[in-house]
Amino acid sequence: GENVEQHPSTLSVQEGDSAVIKCTYSDSASNYFPWYKQELGKRPQLIIDIRSNVGEKKDQRIAVTLNKTAKHFSLHITETQPEDSAVYFCAVRGGWMDSSYKLIFGSGTRLLVRP
Amino acid sequence: DAGVTQSPTHLIKTRGQQVTLRCSPKSGHDTVSWYQQALGQGPQFIFQYYEEEERQRGNFPDRFSGHQFPNYSSELNVNALLLGDSALYLCASSPSLKTEAFFGQGTRLTVV
Repeated sequence: GENVEQHPSTLSVQEGDSAVIKCTYSDSASNYFPWYKQELGKRPQLIIDIRSNVGEKKDQRIAVTLNKTAKHFSLHITETQPEDSAVYFCAVRGGWMDSSYKLIFGSGTRLLVRP
Repeated sequence: DAGVTQSPTHLIKTRGQQVTLRCSPKSGHDTVSWYQQALGQGPQFIFQYYEEEERQRGNFPDRFSGHQFPNYSSELNVNALLLGDSALYLCASSPSLKTEAFFGQGTRLTVV
């Protein structure tokens, strides 16, 4: 079945710097790639997503890039702020019968933005 | 407009007991999925309901069952609770089968 690997597991950056989180997936038929932010004790919040017919998508300080050939996608956060500190999860959906509805999540990246 | 709501927020049960968790989807959403999130891990798919039927199921035993009602709300039932069932149970709703999923705040289940 589909497998999603996420790196790094922890990331510490200085306020104002950029942060990049990467995910790889195994099913080449996957077609939807969301990113979620989860603050301590709160729900996962959808922050950006991309579909397989698009290579890049940007929303203010957040961007996601997708390389379908290499089967990896990345989250880019620019001008980081302390409130960006949270756990970030990538997820994958789509593909053939087995994975057509469910989201498969990476193991998460704990981002710490130092003031 | 209320988002996805879940009840209860916290629950403590004893091994062997049964539990029912509830979810009300976001207005306009007809698809409900349930996920289990163990501490320090990503959510894992349990199953999805659409048109009151289970459309897809993850790798969870039959002790996990669910239901969707005509108003699209959903229940997750877990029988014969094990210590390992302790986790955050998340409900996610979507406006249709293959679109964005929005999560509720979750139910924190502790089995003792």
